[in-house]
Amino acid sequence: QQQVKQSPQSLIVQKGGISIINCAYENTAFDYFPWYQQFPGKGPALLIAIRPDVSEKKEGRFTISFNKSAKQFSLHIMDSQPGDSATYFCAASIGGSNYKLTFGKGTLLTVNP
Amino acid sequence: GAGVSQSPSNKVTEKGKDVELRCDPISGHTALYWYRQSLGQGLEFLIYFQGNSAPDKSGLPSDRFSAERTGGSVSTLTIQRTQQEDSAVYLCASRLYRDGGAFFGQGTRLTVV
Repeated sequence: QQQVKQSPQSLIVQKGGISIINCAYENTAFDYFPWYQQFPGKGPALLIAIRPDVSEKKEGRFTISFNKSAKQFSLHIMDSQPGDSATYFCAASIGGSNYKLTFGKGTLLTVNP
Repeated sequence: GAGVSQSPSNKVTEKGKDVELRCDPISGHTALYWYRQSLGQGLEFLIYFQGNSAPDKSGLPSDRFSAERTGGSVSTLTIQRTQQEDSAVYLCASRLYRDGGAFFGQGTRLTVV
């Protein structure tokens, strides 16, 4: 059972455009939602994260939008640059005694010059 | 060190041999995760440690896989009688607390020949 569904699998955007990656979750107990960026040959790097008590969080060109009622969250990359070309993963975790991170399957973003 | 350190960075082993992969988490991080990533694939959860105990080891693929963590710090993932399907990048991450981000190491690329 996949608890975090990510789309699209791949995305091609022109330089300067907006990249949008979506994730949907099933478990309403999730209370922490990070996004990771991974370049080839590297480990995933934490990009930005949000908790469900806010609907939006912005850090530079990266914004997370969160819709608790729809159980969806998305990553928006404004003014996309070729250097943003990477694989992006959304994730979710639950509190309590077990805060395992559950990941989406990833989105390969290509930003054309 | 400043980040999560994994060793070795690359390991080539013969089918049937045992291998040990090491993870040094960020100092003070209580949570530690092991994930596996096959070529071009997403992140497959293996095991999660809170301190020295493993509340969730549900992702270990078979009894050939085991992991331990000592002193609330270093963790070792052991794969016995390696098979070709074990070839993947093994990623370790550590996390300070439930609301904080998890930080990944660079991974160990395991190749079973």
